[in-house]
Amino acid sequence: DSGVTQTPKHLITATGQRVTLRCSPRSGDLSVYWYQQSLDQGLQFLIQYYNGEERAKGNILERFSAQQFPDLHSELNLSSLELGDSALYFCASSAPGQGGGPQYFGPGTRLTVT
Amino acid sequence: AQTVTQSQPEMSVQEAETVTLSCTYDTSESNYYLFWYKQPPSRQMILVIRQEAYKQQNATENRFSVNFQKAAKSFSLKISDSQLGDTAMYFCASGAGSYQLTFGKGTKLSVIP
Repeated sequence: DSGVTQTPKHLITATGQRVTLRCSPRSGDLSVYWYQQSLDQGLQFLIQYYNGEERAKGNILERFSAQQFPDLHSELNLSSLELGDSALYFCASSAPGQGGGPQYFGPGTRLTVT
Repeated sequence: AQTVTQSQPEMSVQEAETVTLSCTYDTSESNYYLFWYKQPPSRQMILVIRQEAYKQQNATENRFSVNFQKAAKSFSLKISDSQLGDTAMYFCASGAGSYQLTFGKGTKLSVIP
């Protein structure tokens, strides 16, 4: 158990819908990262938050957005869903002030768009 | 920008034997870090080992060790005394500072009884 929690574990929804994925980092970690794992694209970085502020952006679609709340949990919002958005979405967290410190991953949310 | 390449999509090893997974990387960062993560059938991403690029000594964690060749930008993972529980996808990753990781495509390792 990494200490990072993600809900829900599974999500099945239809095209055009909107969903919200939730992540709680390890106690004390300030950074939250979101990754998407799909069969054809592998593990892709989406976005990073540090202590409530957006810190880095990767290959995140405009239909996707995220935020980190004062209690440090984070939510990833996916809208106007398409079949190609079906993937495993991971949240990871890392300790503050630890450059190059490992990222600890949650169990992931498996999203299926039908 | 960083790139990570794992040239072996699949590998297999007999139980109790030793296997080496290859990884090469490219980065423009002077201070970077390298990682191996394991993803078993449960799909959980589990940190296996971490290497700081400024350290010449190769990292080891029990049966897992790395061969870090900085000039060649190579970072291979050696698994000794392979166990059935080592069956998983293995991902090599690089990162700089407290920023995102860049992952390779992975190597699927099967441990054969």
